[in-house]
Amino acid sequence: DADVTQTPRNRITKTGKRIMLECSQTKGHDRMYWYRQDPGLGLQLIYYSFDVKDINKGEISDGYSVSRQAQAKFSLSLESAIPNQTALYFCATSDLYECRRNYEQYFGPGTRLTVT
Amino acid sequence: QKEVEQNSGPLSVPEGAIASLNCTYSDRGSQSFFWYRQYSGKSPELIMSIYSNGDKEDGRFTAQLNKASQYVSLLIRDSQPSDSATYLCAVEGSGGSNYKLTFGKGTLLTVNP
Repeated sequence: DADVTQTPRNRITKTGKRIMLECSQTKGHDRMYWYRQDPGLGLQLIYYSFDVKDINKGEISDGYSVSRQAQAKFSLSLESAIPNQTALYFCATSDLYECRRNYEQYFGPGTRLTVT
Repeated sequence: QKEVEQNSGPLSVPEGAIASLNCTYSDRGSQSFFWYRQYSGKSPELIMSIYSNGDKEDGRFTAQLNKASQYVSLLIRDSQPSDSATYLCAVEGSGGSNYKLTFGKGTLLTVNP
């Protein structure tokens, strides 16, 4: 089974609808991230969480919210979807190994979201 | 704003050749550097991490880091058509941006049979 899973994998929704993207991981990592990727713009950080009680805004958090329900689960919500939120969304996880700095991030398979 | 710059390409090399991918970054305090490979429509896959100046080799891949020049590169030896993908350079932030990665926009590599 995959270490980082995302649901749904594809979603088409209409402008104004609320939508939730979910991410689950079995890696035991504390840190979880949400990114969006647009063609030619690279990966942009939306939100990140270092544990259940620690949630932080990234570069492009406007129009998004998140919930860290458990160490293994991190959800991204679009409260009122708009067409320019059409993108590929990735969840990622990372951990800090004892005695070694390690910021490697591991990505889920992604959710392709289309807002019409 | 911290930046990571890559040549967008496409970089085209013949099968068996060495592909050289380059990346520069603006945050002098960064200590951790990563290369990800991303096939079209798929998620980024970590292929190399480097933390110290110099070279780090893993199979056909060699990462090179020069912190004084704020430059990191990835060499792919004996390039194969399966190496055709977009390669993303990622740099860990320093100070208050610890634990966050800034990604370059990626270089598209095409390996021609």
